[in-house]
Amino acid sequence: AQKITQTQPGMFVQEKEAVTLDCTYDTSDPSYGLFWYKQPSSGEMIFLIYQGSYDQQNATEGRYSLNFQKARKSANLVISASQLGDSAMYFCATRGNNAGNMLTFGGGTRLMVKP
Amino acid sequence: NAGVTQTPKFQVLKTGQSMTLQCAQDMNHEYMSWYRQDPGMGLRLIHYSVGAGITDQGEVPNGYNVSRSTTEDFPLRLLSAAPSQTSVYFCASSVGTLFYEQYFGPGTRLTVT
Repeated sequence: AQKITQTQPGMFVQEKEAVTLDCTYDTSDPSYGLFWYKQPSSGEMIFLIYQGSYDQQNATEGRYSLNFQKARKSANLVISASQLGDSAMYFCATRGNNAGNMLTFGGGTRLMVKP
Repeated sequence: NAGVTQTPKFQVLKTGQSMTLQCAQDMNHEYMSWYRQDPGMGLRLIHYSVGAGITDQGEVPNGYNVSRSTTEDFPLRLLSAAPSQTSVYFCASSVGTLFYEQYFGPGTRLTVT
């Protein structure tokens, strides 16, 4: 079974600064995927970025990058140049060899961007 | 492509009533799933399907049934609604498993009184 831990319930960041959202995971699966989703106040789940367990390089998607440290079982999300529209809940999730390989989510981090 | 659609967007039920939440996707995805999100929490898996005619239970299946007669549709049935089932329900689909993102529908906000 997988478990995802997000230790920061809420965070503030100044507009235009970078911010790191922490995520640690616990799995014994040899292969797994790591995902980050954004949930704005409107409620939809928006896929941001993905990292495969075998990927050697950290994933990047525009202003989002995933700091993947496999030995430490961490998959932190880095958002560069924060914007007001980045204010939202952020969820880290993993897909592994359980329950049809569906997503297991962490509890989320609420990010608030200050102007 | 409409992606993943869910109906209704909002629903209020009385304890003991039954209803079906509809989910459809037009991306020809084999993998579909239902999650619930309680206030201030992440999503938890209710049921999932790896293809038409194949369904299985997730983490919190009690009180819910699913079926998958076509690739496109994956309805979730609440058998006898209870206040503990007040939640936001998300349907999701993906083309593959471990290394593929899931696409989510807009959610259904259900209140059971």
